[in-house]
Amino acid sequence: AAGVIQSPRHLIKEKRETATLKCYPIPRHDTVYWYQQGPGQDPQFLISFYEKMQSDKGSIPDRFSAQQFSDYHSELNMSSLELGDSALYFCASSLNRGSSANTIYFGEGSWLTVV
Amino acid sequence: GQQLNQSPQSMFIQEGEDVSMNCTSSSIFNTWLWYKQDPGEGPVLLIALYKAGELTSNGRLTAQFGITRKDSFLNISASIPSDVGIYFCAGQARGGGKLIFGQGTELSVKP
Repeated sequence: AAGVIQSPRHLIKEKRETATLKCYPIPRHDTVYWYQQGPGQDPQFLISFYEKMQSDKGSIPDRFSAQQFSDYHSELNMSSLELGDSALYFCASSLNRGSSANTIYFGEGSWLTVV
Repeated sequence: GQQLNQSPQSMFIQEGEDVSMNCTSSSIFNTWLWYKQDPGEGPVLLIALYKAGELTSNGRLTAQFGITRKDSFLNISASIPSDVGIYFCAGQARGGGKLIFGQGTELSVKP
């Protein structure tokens, strides 16, 4: 079965540069989530989109922005990168059934290293 | 904000032993999910729980959604070396909402 696809898997950037991460959700999933996971930490929620609209916002820095496109893929744009942005970034997707339960599946993650 | 307390933080057990870990919350969740994460990889869904009191199994794994909707546990029976990894609980307050993660339980299995 198709899973959540993230690209690139690894990325090295210098301080103050810009990086873009891409996420392709599971086919027919309408909700995308972005998470950041530092070394030894649990995943921290950044932002989510449902039907191309932002649905929830977490601890996403102002230097970061994201959007979901008409084909439901999403991109996370990170500018003015700082050393502390080095982390594993996960995208997850789900089929939103409103107030009912839905199951969230994660991609393999994108490793961002800022040097 | 919502927080999940997961325990224990780490476990070092002998192959063949049973394992139990749990999560508690100060607030109610509508969904509890359990994930396993290997180093550098994405969390892999193990079990999803949707109703209070629900008990669900997936092979050697069993998880329960607490009656109060504020807690969940995961049991692994007859552990094997490939069970090594970090196990996360995650709660979702509403459909389509964000997941709140526990701190993780790092499991080590000695052959």
